[in-house]
Amino acid sequence: KQEVTQIPAALSVPEGENLVLNCSFTDSAIYNLQWFRQDPGKGLTSLLLIQSSQREQTSGRLNASLDKSSGRSTLYIAASQPGDSATYLCAVRRGGFKTIFGAGTRLFVKA
Amino acid sequence: DVKVTQSSRYLVKRTGEKVFLECVQDMDHENMFWYRQDPGLGLRLIYFSYDVKMKEKGDIPEGYSVSREKKERFSLILESASTNQTSMYLCASSLDTGGAGNTIYFGEGSWLTVV
Repeated sequence: KQEVTQIPAALSVPEGENLVLNCSFTDSAIYNLQWFRQDPGKGLTSLLLIQSSQREQTSGRLNASLDKSSGRSTLYIAASQPGDSATYLCAVRRGGFKTIFGAGTRLFVKA
Repeated sequence: DVKVTQSSRYLVKRTGEKVFLECVQDMDHENMFWYRQDPGLGLRLIYFSYDVKMKEKGDIPEGYSVSREKKERFSLILESASTNQTSMYLCASSLDTGGAGNTIYFGEGSWLTVV
């Protein structure tokens, strides 16, 4: 059974710091891994999707990596800003329709 | 941009009422999903649909039903609302399954309170 774990559950950093969010999964047979951002009381916004054949994806200050063999993905945020404060979730898609979500990391960037 | 629209953001319903949550997507996606999100339990899949009039149960279908009469619209129905169905409900859509590059897009969520 696929399980997705995100550590830490919460993180507080000063503005300008580079930071890494972690996601681990137990079954390496995945189609893709997606990172989302969720603001309080809102839906999920897709940030990056890494296909199983890829190693990383970049969008602006965000870089996501995928290591299937070790069951890990990281989301790197460069030069963090207060506007980056949100909950970040990773989700792993297996064959068919099944997508398993992590519980998320709540990020707070202090001005 | 892909848009997934949930028509009701906040609802308060009484126990036993029939509740309809509506979701519309504008990108001709085959797949549509309903999740609920609860503190400490994360996102849990209620139902999904991979085509018009087709539906499959997710992890927690009990107490819910769905309807997909048109490709762009996916409705979640609570036949007789109960207090344990108080939650945030999220609709999502994606292109046809099997594509490793198919991003999932979410709506803004519907907060349902059952009293």
